[in-house]
Parts: sequence; C-alpha cells; structure tokens
Amino acid sequence: DAGVIQSPRHEVTEMGQEVTLRCKPISGHDYLFWYRQTMMRGLELLIYFNNNVPIDDSGMPEDRFSAKMPNASFSTLKIQPSEPRDSAVYFCASSLGSRGETQYFGPGTRLLVL
Amino acid sequence: GQQLNQSPQSMFIQEGEDVSMNCTSSSIFNTWLWYKQDPGEGPVLLIALYKAGELTSNGRLTAQFGITRKDSFLNISASIPSDVGIYFCAGLGQGAQKLVFGQGTRLTINP
Repeated sequence: DAGVIQSPRHEVTEMGQEVTLRCKPISGHDYLFWYRQTMMRGLELLIYFNNNVPIDDSGMPEDRFSAKMPNASFSTLKIQPSEPRDSAVYFCASSLGSRGETQYFGPGTRLLVL
Repeated sequence: GQQLNQSPQSMFIQEGEDVSMNCTSSSIFNTWLWYKQDPGEGPVLLIALYKAGELTSNGRLTAQFGITRKDSFLNISASIPSDVGIYFCAGLGQGAQKLVFGQGTRLTINP
C-alpha cells in the first residue's frame, strides 16, 4: 500500500519566490491535513479538508499561504511570496473519518527559504 | 485554545533502561494518541487510547489514558537503539476534529 506521498522532499528557494508543495493522500481517505513543523513551535495544523472542501484554515499563518484540493487524490500548499521564516518541514496527513487515530503522515517536505 | 504539556523534553538513557514520558492538558480529551518520529520522516502512530483508564500495549510500549482524561503516559521497556527518535502525544478534545500535539520528547540512547 502506498502511503501519503509528498513532493518535493526538499526545496531550497530564495526569498520572494513562489513555493508549491504537493500531496497525494492515501486512496479512499476523506480527510487531508497540512501541518508545519519547526523547532520553536512544534507541529502546527495549518488547514484541513474533508471531501476536498476546506473545513478549517485558521492555522494558516497569513495570506501568503494558500491550499487547494482540486480532487480526492491531490492537494497543494502554496507560499507566495516565500520568506525565510517559512523555513520548516511541511507534512501532509490523511485519514478516513475525522478520528485522529487514523491519521497517516507523509514523509514531509523540508523547505529552506534563503 | 487547548494545549498539551509534554515532559520531559529530552531524555538520555542507556540501552536496556525503561523510559517514561507523559502529557498533560488543562482540558478534557476524548482520545489520546502517541506518535514516534524518526529523523527525516513523518510521525508514525504507535498507540491510540479512547477511554479513561485504558491501558494499551504495543510490543514494548505501553500507554495509558489518565482517569481524569487530562493526561496520558507512555512507557517503553528495555529500550533498544531503534527506539531513538521524537515521541509526540496528541489529543482530540470533546467535539473537536483537530488533533492537538505536544512539543515532543526527544529520546537518545547510549549503547
């Protein structure tokens, strides 16, 4: 079984550039979550979708961040323009139903903004 | 909002020792989860707890859902080198759909 797939695994970009992170959830899962992990703030939930519809984006830091889920098998998290403080590991997770125990994480995208 | 306090923040132990860590909350949770994160990977679910007082094991790992529903504990017996990593607790509050994560416990094992 393929788990949650994220790409790219690593991204280095310059301040001001647009960054797009991609996620393919586990087939059949109806919830998709985007998290950000930093040393200072730990794991933070940015946004989550249910059946491709954004349910709660209260964790999105600011308007530079946007997320879409055009279909059940694909989601993107975009940062435009990127800033050095956006450097972090971004995880996508998916689950079947909203119960947290079924939440499976991808390997993450390590983003470095110079 | 809800917050989880996880302790200790880090542990340095000898191989073969037992490990204990815990998470506390100021509010009640209906579900407690324990994850482990290896370097360069995403968190992997170890144990899920759904009822106050519940004690669940997964190999050498044992976790308990506190009877007050405001805390949870994870124990690792006879630690081995592959236990190294960061352990996170996470909770799901009443009526909530979003997990709240603790800050993690970084476990280092000296062979």
